[in-house]
Amino acid sequence: DTGVSQNPRHKITKRGQNVTFRCDPISEHNRLYWYRQTLGQGPEFLTYFQNEAQLEKSRLLSDRFSAERPKGSFSTLEIQRTEQGDSAMYLCASSLTGLEAFFGQGTRLTVV
Amino acid sequence: RKEVEQDPGPFNVPEGATVAFNCTYSNSASQSFFWYRQDCRKEPKLLMSVYSSGNEDGRFTAQLNRASQYISLLIRDSKLSDSATYLCVVNPPGGDMRFGAGTRLTVKP
Repeated sequence: DTGVSQNPRHKITKRGQNVTFRCDPISEHNRLYWYRQTLGQGPEFLTYFQNEAQLEKSRLLSDRFSAERPKGSFSTLEIQRTEQGDSAMYLCASSLTGLEAFFGQGTRLTVV
Repeated sequence: RKEVEQDPGPFNVPEGATVAFNCTYSNSASQSFFWYRQDCRKEPKLLMSVYSSGNEDGRFTAQLNRASQYISLLIRDSKLSDSATYLCVVNPPGGDMRFGAGTRLTVKP
């Protein structure tokens, strides 16, 4: 499968715990995006990378959130001290510059 | 003003109907535009790119109006399988892709 891959698909965690999600983009894609989506809403932009450089972070991304793309390939999104409001679908997408993005199936986070 | 705005619907139409969605964007320097389709509990998937001259793909037609900063999607001869949420996507100069909240379409027999 050469599409965008996200792991895990589902994560249930207790409030206050840290979680980390992984995204493997399509191999030749230089851009990688993270979005958060809650029920009934469109995807909300969190951050994106051009190769290994993180070019923009949304105001939605509090200091509990951090993302990395160390070698310009896979990326991780970490949420520290999770809160119930963090429960959502976290979507990763990749693209070539200026072209359409392709999404992974997402990681559904539930904070209990 | 939101960066990308869409009429949330829902649009409930009978099979065979023609339905149109509009989307407005705030950044006049935006460079590329797309329509995505999202089925319930699935990831968004590209439906079509939107070109300045307008473009058509079967029953789907997309148009861009830069002067008024909106894009549209027209679906002709609606099928039951067209039921989904349609997301407008705008790519501003910064390169990140901004999504509208989506327009929900239900096509009924």
